[in-house]
Amino acid sequence: ELKVEQNPLFLSMQEGKNYTIYCNYSTTSDRLYWYRQDPGKSLESLFVLLSNGAVKQEGRLMASLDTKARLSTLHITAAVHDLSATYFCAVHGSGNTGKLIFGQGTTLQVKP
Amino acid sequence: GAGVSQTPSNKVTEKGKYVELRCDPISGHTALYWYRQSLGQGPEFLIYFQGTGAADDSGLPNDRFFAVRPEGSVSTLKIQRTERGDSAVYLCASSPWGGTYNEQFFGPGTRLTVL
Repeated sequence: ELKVEQNPLFLSMQEGKNYTIYCNYSTTSDRLYWYRQDPGKSLESLFVLLSNGAVKQEGRLMASLDTKARLSTLHITAAVHDLSATYFCAVHGSGNTGKLIFGQGTTLQVKP
Repeated sequence: GAGVSQTPSNKVTEKGKYVELRCDPISGHTALYWYRQSLGQGPEFLIYFQGTGAADDSGLPNDRFFAVRPEGSVSTLKIQRTERGDSAVYLCASSPWGGTYNEQFFGPGTRLTVL
């Protein structure tokens, strides 16, 4: 059974600090997604990582993918309060249907 | 263009009742997915439609859950004899085609509360 694990599950940090969220998955996948979810809202797509070594950056967020290690990271640089949200990584499940298997989510709280 | 829409946004029902949740995908998207998100968890896959047919229903938890997409566009998730454990946010997503090479776009979700 494919498993996707994130850590930490909860992260409280001060504005201006850097931190990394980790996403490990248990089977081969050459594509990984990062989503953001604000309280009571739906999922907003942040990054689609398409291949081994892929790196994407948007503002203070940078995501990378190492398919050999089955690991993706979401790095936060100089956090600001607006980044407070829950972040999910996801990979495709077995078969070719495109169904996504999500991690548990990492809730980020950035304190002013 | 319009994104994925879901109705109702909130649904409160009593244990044992029947509910229907509706999803309008992005126009032209042939693939449609239903997920369920319990409090504090990531979304969990329920069912995938390619066109009108359910190509993968392996995530439906039991036979109280059923979904249709009769014309290949709007989909309805139906839950019979609801239980308190069915309380969750039900998310719908669509993509241009199925498979692993198309990004999914999520709707706002329906929050179901079973009393």
